[in-house]
Amino acid sequence: NAGVMQNPRHLVRRRGQEARLRCSPMKGHSHVYWYRQLPEEGLKFMVYLQKENIIDESGMPKERFSAEFPKEGPSILRIQQVVRGDSAAYFCASSLGQSSGNTIYFGEGSWLTVV
Amino acid sequence: QQQVKQSPQSLIVQKGGISIINCAYENTAFDYFPWYQQFPGKGPALLIAIRPDVSEKKEGRFTISFNKSAKQFSLHIMDSQPGDSATYFCAVGILTGGGNKLTFGTGTQLKVEL
Repeated sequence: NAGVMQNPRHLVRRRGQEARLRCSPMKGHSHVYWYRQLPEEGLKFMVYLQKENIIDESGMPKERFSAEFPKEGPSILRIQQVVRGDSAAYFCASSLGQSSGNTIYFGEGSWLTVV
Repeated sequence: QQQVKQSPQSLIVQKGGISIINCAYENTAFDYFPWYQQFPGKGPALLIAIRPDVSEKKEGRFTISFNKSAKQFSLHIMDSQPGDSATYFCAVGILTGGGNKLTFGTGTQLKVEL
């Protein structure tokens, strides 16, 4: 019974490169969330997606960041032209639905380092 | 604007003692109050959660106390153990129509000493 799977676990990119982070939700879950955790800080909501739809992207930076959750395959968080300030842990989470009582389960994170 | 304030930032407790972490929120629309535990290099894991229709919820050694009028809630860890040493995050959310989006506190680093 696999949980939320994220890969890669660790990623190093040079400034200006692209970073792609992948997330496979728990089996049966159709709601995916991305959060970012900067060093010594709490998690900040970025985006909430359902299959083929972005439901809430109020936490996404306006430029360089995008997310998708296609009909088939994992959810992807894409960061273009990375800068040092993008270095953080990116956590994906999933839930069965959005109604009361649906627990959100987190993956183990993808640690991005921009050099 | 910080929607949830968590304190203390760090906490050292002796084995067997009680660990208490507090959170305060502003928006009365929040109706879901979970606590997450995070070990280094790992993702947050749900410990316990409460809805505003009850004032207390207990699961094993972990208890949430909720004060709706004061807009505060706290996590109590009874008989704290070295294995409880981790970072604890409170969060707030709006479940009904809110899409399960959570706003997290800044975390409390708990160390339980022998």
